[in-house]
Amino acid sequence: DVKVTQSSRYLVKRTGEKVFLECVQDMDHENMFWYRQDPGLGLRLIYFSYDVKMKEKGDIPEGYSVSREKKERFSLILESASTNQTSMYLCASRPQDWVRGDTQYFGPGTRLTVL
Amino acid sequence: GEDVEQSLFLSVREGDSSVINCTYTDSSSTYLYWYKQEPGAGLQLLTYIFSNMDMKQDQRLTVLLNKKDKHLSLRIADTQTGDSAIYFCAASGGSYIPTFGRGTSLIVHP
Repeated sequence: DVKVTQSSRYLVKRTGEKVFLECVQDMDHENMFWYRQDPGLGLRLIYFSYDVKMKEKGDIPEGYSVSREKKERFSLILESASTNQTSMYLCASRPQDWVRGDTQYFGPGTRLTVL
Repeated sequence: GEDVEQSLFLSVREGDSSVINCTYTDSSSTYLYWYKQEPGAGLQLLTYIFSNMDMKQDQRLTVLLNKKDKHLSLRIADTQTGDSAIYFCAASGGSYIPTFGRGTSLIVHP
């Protein structure tokens, strides 16, 4: 059973703080993704990674950076948190040979509040 | 790029059928997915369909694909209160990165 875990379910930070959101998957998947989910806006892709040390910008990368030093771990970094980054953050992973129809596996999400 | 649209809310009575609709814009979309998100949880894949199919059935779930109109639907038979959740439609094609709709909140009344 694929497991994607995220370091925190709930997080409260102050404006200007540096925030790290961690995601770990245990199935040796090459691809990993970070999304944010806001009511009425659905999921928006922030960054994704095809493999270790590789990263690509998604639709809304501004204010975020990522790190993928090990295959199983994909970190999302908010360099200087702002109130408009209050959101639910979802991590997902996917095998490289996803064309089998297998698709993304999601973590439980981190609800981040920036005060 | 791809655009995926779905209505935001659907309310049904327990025992009735629910039909959630989705439209997409990229005719080269190869894989179309339905995900379910229960309160406070991540997304869970419910079912998917390849673009060369027009129907897929899995127990209480029926997916219909009209490729000409770029329309996808998810029918849940005998809807139960446990089916209350947000349902996301997603499509992936040439870019292989899925595009998600905004999600449909299904509310099931006893």
